[in-house]
Amino acid sequence: AQSVAQPEDQVNVAEGNPLTVKCTYSVSGNPYLFWYVQYPNRGLQFLLKYITGDNLVKGSYGFEAEFNKSQTSFHLKKPSALVSDSALYFCAVRDDTGFQKLVFGTGTRLLVSP
Amino acid sequence: EAQVTQNPRYLITVTGKKLTVTCSQNMNHEYMSWYRQDPGLGLRQIYYSMNVEVTDKGDVPEGYKVSRKEKRNFPLILESPSPNQTSLYFCASSPTSANTGELFFGEGSRLTVL
Repeated sequence: AQSVAQPEDQVNVAEGNPLTVKCTYSVSGNPYLFWYVQYPNRGLQFLLKYITGDNLVKGSYGFEAEFNKSQTSFHLKKPSALVSDSALYFCAVRDDTGFQKLVFGTGTRLLVSP
Repeated sequence: EAQVTQNPRYLITVTGKKLTVTCSQNMNHEYMSWYRQDPGLGLRQIYYSMNVEVTDKGDVPEGYKVSRKEKRNFPLILESPSPNQTSLYFCASSPTSANTGELFFGEGSRLTVL
């Protein structure tokens, strides 16, 4: 069965600094990897995904994620954080056979200070 | 506007009083799913539906029922709510089951069972 780990409950970063939110995964087949963002009192919004191809995936709002197969990681990154990036971020994974099951991590809260 | 609509957004009820949380999407999506979000546990899938009249259990189906009589609607039914079902619930949809992962989420329904 697939699983996702987000080792940090919270990440603090100053505005303008680069940010990284970590995610590692475990699947039996090839991974399909996703990042979602949840702003306060809102539903989750899709940010980006990796299915195949380039290991660096670009998504919404200037975010990108780097797929590393050897380390089974899919870390979310942004070169310059904004206060408005403060939110809860979820990593999710499914394998290429379990087409109906998407497994989410426990979430990482990102706090960007002015 | 393309959206997933959940009602009610907030509900306080008592143990044993049957309730239904409605979910409707206007995007003609085949796949729909219910999740619950609890602190420290992330999102866990309750039930999902690949298409009309096709539903299946997720990871935490106990105490819940669903139905999919129409493509646009996927209500979540709590026949006899208990306090451990106090949670934040999200409905989500996706164009097809093969595309599962890019989910569109509703705004959430916060349920408190006393």
